[in-house]
Amino acid sequence: KNEVEQSPQNLTAQEGEFITINCSYSVGISALHWLQQHPGGGIVSLFMLSSGKKKHGRLIATINIQEKHSSLHITASHPRDSAVYICAVRGGADGLTFGKGTHLIIQP
Amino acid sequence: EPEVTQTPSHQVTQMGQEVILRCVPISNHLYFYWYRQILGQKVEFLVSFYNNEISEKSEIFDDQFSVERPDGSNFTLKIRSTKLEDSAMYFCASCRDRQRNIQYFGAGTRLSVL
Repeated sequence: KNEVEQSPQNLTAQEGEFITINCSYSVGISALHWLQQHPGGGIVSLFMLSSGKKKHGRLIATINIQEKHSSLHITASHPRDSAVYICAVRGGADGLTFGKGTHLIIQP
Repeated sequence: EPEVTQTPSHQVTQMGQEVILRCVPISNHLYFYWYRQILGQKVEFLVSFYNNEISEKSEIFDDQFSVERPDGSNFTLKIRSTKLEDSAMYFCASCRDRQRNIQYFGAGTRLSVL
């Protein structure tokens, strides 16, 4: 069973700062997902990665398969980026295994 | 943009009652999922469904749970006899190709078992 660990658990930063959220997992995977959960509970998929790096707007996700590690970066952070960011992994089968999430607060 | 729709947004039920949570996945998607999130805890996988059958289920998905795609558009999760510990947010998700695509999540149904 895959263990997914995220760090930090909580992060408070000032508007404009560069944010990094880390995710590590214990067993080889076929894909890693980054998700955003808003205070109301809704979940939005940000990225699915199996190798390398992806960028969408101010968000960048990277993965190192050998080290079983992924990072999510937010450039020029804004208060609207405040949310819970969740890492989830998929092994050979369908179901995702989720991390506990990183609670991000961006202060104006 | 197409979206996954879940109804109801909040369901309150008495312990022992049956509930059906409904989802309308995105129309050209082929893979369907149910997840749950107990308040304050992480999201957990329940079941995946492809080609009109369950493709994987977690240990949480016991005989009290069942899923159905009755009419080619709806995807339902039934809990036969609800327990207090079934209180959670239930998320439906779908994707077109599980190897290539992200999963699209519905807004969730909050189930409260009293």
